[in-house]
Amino acid sequence: GAGVSQSPRYKVAKRGQDVALRCDPISGHVSLFWYQQALGQGPEFLTYFQNEAQLDKSGLPSDRFFAERPEGSVSTLKIQRTQQEDSAVYLCASSLGQGAPSYEQYFGPGTRLTVT
Amino acid sequence: GESVGLHLPTLSVQEGDNSIINCAYSNSASDYFIWYKQESGKGPQFIIDIRSNMDKRQGQRVTVLLNKTVKHLSLQIAATQPGDSAVYFCAENPPSSASKIIFGSGTRLSIRP
Repeated sequence: GAGVSQSPRYKVAKRGQDVALRCDPISGHVSLFWYQQALGQGPEFLTYFQNEAQLDKSGLPSDRFFAERPEGSVSTLKIQRTQQEDSAVYLCASSLGQGAPSYEQYFGPGTRLTVT
Repeated sequence: GESVGLHLPTLSVQEGDNSIINCAYSNSASDYFIWYKQESGKGPQFIIDIRSNMDKRQGQRVTVLLNKTVKHLSLQIAATQPGDSAVYFCAENPPSSASKIIFGSGTRLSIRP
């Protein structure tokens, strides 16, 4: 069956531009997570949704980062006024149950963001 | 703060041999641990998990060992195959958050033919 998909797969932005990254979770999955993965590092938690509710956004690095999941399915991670330190792979994951980590998280391929 | 670390950043193993990837965690209150495999250009893939009330758990060709006394976690891969080449991450669920998973920095496993 279809897994988690993310678009675009690659994004190049000039410093100061806004970007929007999309995540399509597995159909029926209640939980959705965003992670940021710098080169050579492990993913770092950004935020978590249970259906449309954003229950944990403690990992968002600044108020330039905003995530939404208005209908409890597709999610968008928006980064305003991008900076070079935002360059990373942004991973989305979904899981069937409510809350990590009791249910296995399925990861998408990620969006590689490069800020020039 | 909470952190998960790894002893070795790279590991080279002869095809057919067993691989052992180690991980140290810092929060003695963490009660859930997961190993992920990440191939180039892909997202992490769940391999196996273990709760703190267990010392050992086995899957298909993989075994996870948990030593709570020294806060150490290991992943054993039996009869390593070329397809096992990837970066392996251990991760923990800290008690401070039911939703957050903290990943370590990863070990790259390469297979010698």
